[in-house]
Amino acid sequence: DAGITQSPRHKVTETGTPVTLRCHQTENHRYMYWYRQDPGHGLRLIHYSYGVKDTDKGEVSDGYSVSRSKTEDFLLTLESATSSQTSVYFCAISELKGGNQPQHFGDGTRLSIL
Amino acid sequence: SQQGEEDPQALSIQEGENATMNCSYKTSINNLQWYRQNSGRGLVHLILIRSNEREKHSGRLRVTLDTSKKSSSLLITASRAADTASYFCATDNGNTGKLIFGQGTTLQVKP
Repeated sequence: DAGITQSPRHKVTETGTPVTLRCHQTENHRYMYWYRQDPGHGLRLIHYSYGVKDTDKGEVSDGYSVSRSKTEDFLLTLESATSSQTSVYFCAISELKGGNQPQHFGDGTRLSIL
Repeated sequence: SQQGEEDPQALSIQEGENATMNCSYKTSINNLQWYRQNSGRGLVHLILIRSNEREKHSGRLRVTLDTSKKSSSLLITASRAADTASYFCATDNGNTGKLIFGQGTTLQVKP
């Protein structure tokens, strides 16, 4: 398995609180991605990174921000969590651009916002 | 926006039978990928097929791609209980580096 660690694995928090999810990789891959998975929607891309300090928006980026200060870490922040952000969040990595290469996924963070 | 749509949404078969899942997409693609997700786990890459390929094999997996019909199929032969999982197709419709996933097919293989 690719060396991808997501933390925390589970989190319950209240509406309006800030939340940060962490993705850590040991593969030295350039590309990192954050997805959310919801019933009926499959996986949807939130943000992705193509290098240190280089990030871009995905399909559902509103309400989320990201940072990548080191190759191995990609952080996803919900500035003020809302109940609609209750979801399972997956981090993925790829050596080259995701469409041309397989992406390798972490085991997800289950986030519940009450 | 959904690019790939899998069919059927759910499939239940007996061990030893073959399982076929289909994926349709809307725009031209460079590549199409198939992934498996076991319950409570992340997605695992199975196979990538490029737009100029028509068929690809990997072990008990056979993937076909028909760009004229904008569709792909995943065949799992001689299924096992361990194949029970959700299967997703994902397309890259340009050189953006972004994958667009379908909603998946849930496969149950009964022992």
